[in-house]
Amino acid sequence: AQSVAQPEDQVNVAEGNPLTVKCTYSVSGNPYLFWYVQYPNRGLQFLLKYITGDNLVKGSYGFEAEFNKSQTSFHLKKPSALVSDSALYFCAVRDGNSWGKLQFGAGTQVVVTP
Amino acid sequence: DTGVSQNPRHKITKRGQNVTFRCDPISEHNRLYWYRQTLGQGPEFLTYFQNEAQLEKSRLLSDRFSAERPKGSFSTLEIQRTEQGDSAMYLCASSPGQAGSPLHFGNGTRLTVT
Repeated sequence: AQSVAQPEDQVNVAEGNPLTVKCTYSVSGNPYLFWYVQYPNRGLQFLLKYITGDNLVKGSYGFEAEFNKSQTSFHLKKPSALVSDSALYFCAVRDGNSWGKLQFGAGTQVVVTP
Repeated sequence: DTGVSQNPRHKITKRGQNVTFRCDPISEHNRLYWYRQTLGQGPEFLTYFQNEAQLEKSRLLSDRFSAERPKGSFSTLEIQRTEQGDSAMYLCASSPGQAGSPLHFGNGTRLTVT
């Protein structure tokens, strides 16, 4: 079985400050990890993924994420947040050995204030 | 790449009625997924197809729910004898046939059962 935990329901940050959204996961095989963003009344948009290789992956809109195997974490980061980054962010995991469904976390609402 | 298309965008129905939703995936994608999302929650996996074969169904998918992908292209999700608890956003996603490929989501169908 696979699971994802996003411990923060909401993250508040001032524009220009660094943004971090936390994610930890549990999977029996190799983790395939993804971050998505969702704006109101829209579907999910893919931001970035970790499959293998470098632990720091870069994605769309200046976002990056760091894979930490020992801590089973995959935190999303952005060095300087924008007001337009305010949205709902989801972490997701797939078992790379069996690959079927993508399991999502409950989501973290990011609020960036001017 | 015209994206994943879902119809209708909104559906209001009375309890006990049947509803059907349609999803048109990105044309070259052979995997198609259905998820359900309620307010403030992450997407919950319902089922997925590889071509026309339905490979996995969630226990969330009761006998009242059925999904088809008859020619390996578009898919339909039918809910029979709708209940108020079925009110949610139903999301469709597609992906190519590689384990590390992200899912591409449509904008969803919002179902309201009165």
